[in-house]
Amino acid sequence: GEDVEQSLFLSVREGDSSVINCTYTDSSSTYLYWYKQEPGAGLQLLTYIFSNMDMKQDQRLTVLLNKKDKHLSLRIADTQTGDSAIYFCAEVGSNFGNEKLTFGTGTRLTIIP
Amino acid sequence: DAMVIQNPRYQVTQFGKPVTLSCSQTLNHNVMYWYQQKSSQAPKLLFHYYDKDFNNEADTPDNFQSRRPNTSFCFLDIRSPGLGDAAMYLCATSPRAITGYTFGSGTRLTVV
Repeated sequence: GEDVEQSLFLSVREGDSSVINCTYTDSSSTYLYWYKQEPGAGLQLLTYIFSNMDMKQDQRLTVLLNKKDKHLSLRIADTQTGDSAIYFCAEVGSNFGNEKLTFGTGTRLTIIP
Repeated sequence: DAMVIQNPRYQVTQFGKPVTLSCSQTLNHNVMYWYQQKSSQAPKLLFHYYDKDFNNEADTPDNFQSRRPNTSFCFLDIRSPGLGDAAMYLCATSPRAITGYTFGSGTRLTVV
């Protein structure tokens, strides 16, 4: 089955860039997503990238996709205290009519003042 | 303007007492999902509906059931909650095209 892995923790100083990494195993992944989860809340879609792209930028967020290595990263520029959360990488395959998200374990981002 | 609404936000139930969690959506999406998220873990898909078609994950316990009476509503029924069922339950919806899921804010279930 599909497997998505992330490192569990990341600490970054306020104002620096954060880079959260993710690896996945499903070579038929069509879309890859980054979600943010604040304490006690649901998941908020931050951004997504289609598998035929290698980069997507959206304001402070940059997503890089290396499809050959099955590696996805999320860079947050100028990290702020409000960015403290758990970030989940997720992928969906190409199984038409049965598209379901497989999540990574999540990376807890801590901002150091 | 919440588009996927889960009620209640917090639910306390007794061991073995049936409980129902609800989800409603204003997006008119075809697909509705129920995920279980235990503390410090990734969300795990329990089942989903594509329109009226129910799709159960192979490892979802029989204790968990779902109903979707119409496009807007979907329910998660736990027939006999155990202590191990304490978790955050997340509902999500998506349109036919896979451009992202919209999640509700979740229901945190406590079993006492």
